[in-house]
Amino acid sequence: EPEVTQTPSHQVTQMGQEVILRCVPISNHLYFYWYRQILGQKVEFLVSFYNNEISEKSEIFDDQFSVERPDGSNFTLKIRSTKLEDSAMYFCASREGTGGYQPQHFGDGTRLSIL
Amino acid sequence: DQQVKQNSPSLSVQEGRISILNCDYTNSMFDYFLWYKKYPAEGPTFLISISSIKDKNEDGRFTVFLNKSAKHLSLHIVPSQPGDSAVYFCAASPGSSNTGKLIFGQGTTLQVKP
Repeated sequence: EPEVTQTPSHQVTQMGQEVILRCVPISNHLYFYWYRQILGQKVEFLVSFYNNEISEKSEIFDDQFSVERPDGSNFTLKIRSTKLEDSAMYFCASREGTGGYQPQHFGDGTRLSIL
Repeated sequence: DQQVKQNSPSLSVQEGRISILNCDYTNSMFDYFLWYKKYPAEGPTFLISISSIKDKNEDGRFTVFLNKSAKHLSLHIVPSQPGDSAVYFCAASPGSSNTGKLIFGQGTTLQVKP
């Protein structure tokens, strides 16, 4: 079965540094998402991406965050200047988006640790 | 943000018995509800969904019930198996969102004892 793949599985970064989290969504999917889960808290929506542009973003997704689909397969989340509170699991998801309601499929996540 | 709530952090059941996981919501504009299962070190895996115009959806051992008047949904697993032990998340998709973003509950940890 097709999968969403995320790399790296664990990223350790110094506060203030830039970090890029990478995702390869399922190939025929049209909608792409990033979520995060801070330890002990809910999974929270960050941003959705469709037709090569951001279609919706949450209050969390401020100017420090950006997303990009640089080619036909990768979908990246960049945090420009990381803060301690950015430490979390970051999940990428994708959805087919055609033919009625389709659920989102998630990757296994990247654990981001900011020191 | 308490739009989707799972009030039971954990549930323990015996193998072969029924597991019932509950979820409450506050936003009557949600149009789809979903259940995901999550094992440690893995991402959420889609289990089953239900449209807000339905009251029941069944897929094998998994059945989701929706009570719109009570703003409540539940996931029934029958019979429960040890491999079902995981964290279960209820999620909802706002009808006002054209992107299908999901709003998650806190999760319920299910333990199925052999």
